[in-house]
Amino acid sequence: AQSVTQLGSHVSVSEGALVLLRCNYSSSVPPYLFWYVQYPNQGLQLLLKYTSAATLVKGINGFEAEFKKSETSFHLTKPSAHMRDAAEYFCAVSSSGSARQLTFGSGTQLTVLP
Amino acid sequence: EAQVTQNPRYLITVTGKKLTVTCSQNMNHEYMSWYRQDPGLGLRQIYYSMNVEVTDKGDVPEGYKVSRKEKRNFPLILESPSPNQTSLYFCASSFQGGANVLTFGAGSRLTVL
Repeated sequence: AQSVTQLGSHVSVSEGALVLLRCNYSSSVPPYLFWYVQYPNQGLQLLLKYTSAATLVKGINGFEAEFKKSETSFHLTKPSAHMRDAAEYFCAVSSSGSARQLTFGSGTQLTVLP
Repeated sequence: EAQVTQNPRYLITVTGKKLTVTCSQNMNHEYMSWYRQDPGLGLRQIYYSMNVEVTDKGDVPEGYKVSRKEKRNFPLILESPSPNQTSLYFCASSFQGGANVLTFGAGSRLTVL
C-alpha cells in the first residue's frame, strides 16, 4: 500500500521569503513522486517529478524538491516566493510509475502575502 | 494544442436527474481517469480506463458509471445524483508505462440540490 501525507493544509509566506511545502510518503517499493500545482479555477499541472535518477529535482517556476529515502520525504521548496505562486499544491506517489496507481495527498494551499 | 476538455464546467442540478459530464482528449492517450476533489481530501479516483472498452473502479466509484467506446472520449455518468456527489470533478489522461504524467482538464463543478 502507498500513501501521502502533506503537513499543513495552509501555508502563508511573505513575498520574497522561502517556500517550504512538506510531503511524506509511504511505499513498499522505490516510489515515483510528483508535485502538481492547481491555480485558481484551473486543472492540475505538473511541477516536477522524481523517477529514481537525481535526488534533487528541479521543476518549473523555480521550484525544486529533494527525495530523502531515509526520511521518506519529498519536500517542495522555492528560495523566493512570488505573488503568482499562490495556488494549491499536491504531492502524489506511485509505487509502479503507473498513473493508474497514483495516490494524491490532501493538498496545501499556499498564500503569498505582499 | 494538447488538452483535455471537460463539459460542462459548471452545473447545478436536482437529486435524481441523470447527468453526463463529457471528457475528450486530443493526445492519443491510452489511459484516462476521473477524480473528484473535495476540501481536505485531495483528489480521489472514481474510475479509470486503460484503453478502449477497458474500464475499472477507482477508490470512490459508488453512484457513477463510465464508458470508453472511443479512445478520445471518457464520459462520466451520474444516473441518479445525490447531494453527496456535489464536488469538483477532474478528467485526466496520460500515456501508459513509466512515470506517466497526467494531463488534467479544467474541472467541472457540480452542485446537486
